[in-house]
Amino acid sequence: DTGVSQDPRHKITKRGQNVTFRCDPISEHNRLYWYRQTLGQGPEFLTYFQNEAQLEKSRLLSDRFSAERPKGSFSTLEIQRTEQGDSAMYLCASSLGSGSSYEQYFGPGTRLTVT
Amino acid sequence: AQSVAQPEDQVNVAEGNPLTVKCTYSVSGNPYLFWYVQYPNRGLQFLLKYITGDNLVKGSYGFEAEFNKSQTSFHLKKPSALVSDSALYFCAVRDMREGNKLVFGAGTILRVKS
Repeated sequence: DTGVSQDPRHKITKRGQNVTFRCDPISEHNRLYWYRQTLGQGPEFLTYFQNEAQLEKSRLLSDRFSAERPKGSFSTLEIQRTEQGDSAMYLCASSLGSGSSYEQYFGPGTRLTVT
Repeated sequence: AQSVAQPEDQVNVAEGNPLTVKCTYSVSGNPYLFWYVQYPNRGLQFLLKYITGDNLVKGSYGFEAEFNKSQTSFHLKKPSALVSDSALYFCAVRDMREGNKLVFGAGTILRVKS
């Protein structure tokens, strides 16, 4: 299967710890997105990369959050000093970049629980 | 800023009957509109999109949606519902003036009963 993959699928951590998630997009997609989804809500945009450049960041992305896409392929999302409010599903998506109308394809998500 | 409203938390329909899941949007520019479906413990799956052209767009699994600019709506429809269509459905919009992000509605649970 050549869809978007995310690792890990589940993460339980204690408040104050740092966590890092990985996303591998569809291989020919040069655009990569991170979203956060809480129970009963639709996904909320966090950040967007075109190749290795981070071009958009949401105000939701506090300074405890950092995302990278060093070689324009996989991406990592790190949360420092986790808080209980960070508990959510973190979704990664990718799309083709030559046109702006392309749909985004989502991975299965990483469910974070902060205790 | 763009926004999406899905006015129904849940839609119930009998198998074989037509279904409609409602979506309205607000953007300052021209919208790109999308429908996604989410099954339990799985990611969002793309169903269909409206970019330009015909107001009626067809997508996966027999779903279609009608873009109505005057009513700023993009309702999802299917002529004959299946029990396997039961899932969580999200409408999303991208405003061409607001960058590349998708803005999602809160979702509508569709329950199809046999």
